[in-house]
Amino acid sequence: AQSVAQPEDQVNVAEGNPLTVKCTYSVSGNPYLFWYVQYPNRGLQFLLKYITGDNLVKGSYGFEAEFNKSQTSFHLKKPSALVSDSALYFCAVRDTIRRDDKIIFGKGTRLHILP
Amino acid sequence: DTGVSQDPRHKITKRGQNVTFRCDPISEHNRLYWYRQTLGQGPEFLTYFQNEAQLEKSRLLSDRFSAERPKGSFSTLEIQRTEQGDSAMYLCASSLVGGFYEQYFGPGTRLTVT
Repeated sequence: AQSVAQPEDQVNVAEGNPLTVKCTYSVSGNPYLFWYVQYPNRGLQFLLKYITGDNLVKGSYGFEAEFNKSQTSFHLKKPSALVSDSALYFCAVRDTIRRDDKIIFGKGTRLHILP
Repeated sequence: DTGVSQDPRHKITKRGQNVTFRCDPISEHNRLYWYRQTLGQGPEFLTYFQNEAQLEKSRLLSDRFSAERPKGSFSTLEIQRTEQGDSAMYLCASSLVGGFYEQYFGPGTRLTVT
């Protein structure tokens, strides 16, 4: 069965500092991995995805994520945090061994960027 | 920019009433998904369509829930005899066919059952 874990409910980072939001996954086959961001009272907004190829994936708003197969992780990173990055971040995974396109979301990590 | 739209954005209803939500996907997307999100949780899959065919339903989707996508364009999600436990954000998403394509989400419909 596929699953996603986001071990931190909340992450606090000072503005201008690098940020990392952690995600680990479990699948039977190979993973497709996604990061989404949610602002208050809004739907989820796609940030980036890993399908195949380079382990470092670049996405919107200066975010990037590193796929690590041996550690089954897909941590979200940004070199310099902005106050406007404060939001709820979700990691999601699809198991390619499945025939459907169902993706499973983590519980989310709330990111607070402190001015 | 015509993204995914949902209507209404908010719905307050009394327990036992029926409610219906609408989702309009991105026009060229043939996959449409419904999710439910409660406070402190990520979205939970409910059901999805490819064109007008409903391909899978979650165990979360009790027999009080029904979804349709009659012409392969917009979709409706109906909840009959609402219960307080149905209070949640209902999210719709659409994508192209193929698991490597990301899903694009609408703003959601927040349901409050009193």
